[in-house]
Amino acid sequence: QSVLTQPPSASGAPGQTVIISCSGGSSNIGTNSVNWYQHLPGTAPRLLIHSNDQRPSGVPGRFSGSKSGTSASLAINGVQSEDEADYYCAAWDDSLDGRGVFGGGTKLTVL
Amino acid sequence: VQLLESGPGLVKPSQTLSLTCTLSGGSITSAGYSWSWIRHLPGGGLEWIGYISYSGATSYTPSLKSRVTMSLDTAENQVSLKLNSVTAADTAVYYCATTISVDQNYYFYFDLWGRGTLVTVSS
Repeated sequence: QSVLTQPPSASGAPGQTVIISCSGGSSNIGTNSVNWYQHLPGTAPRLLIHSNDQRPSGVPGRFSGSKSGTSASLAINGVQSEDEADYYCAAWDDSLDGRGVFGGGTKLTVL
Repeated sequence: VQLLESGPGLVKPSQTLSLTCTLSGGSITSAGYSWSWIRHLPGGGLEWIGYISYSGATSYTPSLKSRVTMSLDTAENQVSLKLNSVTAADTAVYYCATTISVDQNYYFYFDLWGRGTLVTVSS
């Protein structure tokens, strides 16, 4: 049972906008910044968004992040076939002496 | 900068899992950086195990704290993970990652990951 809640799957046709949600609580998303990671099986996970809405260099502009209260979202504007992967949200959780926590992951299928 | 995890792929139950993460193109004592271990469990979820800072300070997830030790080997530019008393539930792909931890972890993220190493716990 993951601390952060994500839908297990999402899908969209090429060119469409896909939004993946991440729900948490007052001790994690409500207090700290949210990050998003992309993971293709067999490869190293990749930082996609950090600090709620900051895109590292090299990440395409079609990826964006936002946060409101205890929830966050990752938007992919104009999804492409190479975006088919697993996406995870993550944050620091201040409970239990503090720990890093993840969402359960969302499998994105590009139709 | 690249990270490479290494260690035994098979560990027997009740024994100690030992992994190393070798950093190339940088120094593990670079100020401001920490090094996390994260695992990807067979059920699909990611679990943060803990981190060690460039100065050697550590933070472990509470559920594993009693079994985990992380350390720095500055001579080899490596970060190590030891997890004792393993069971089948510890079977996972283990990743190391450079970690940004700022403002009492308000900003806490992993900006570079290794490719991971699979560890199976089985007799």
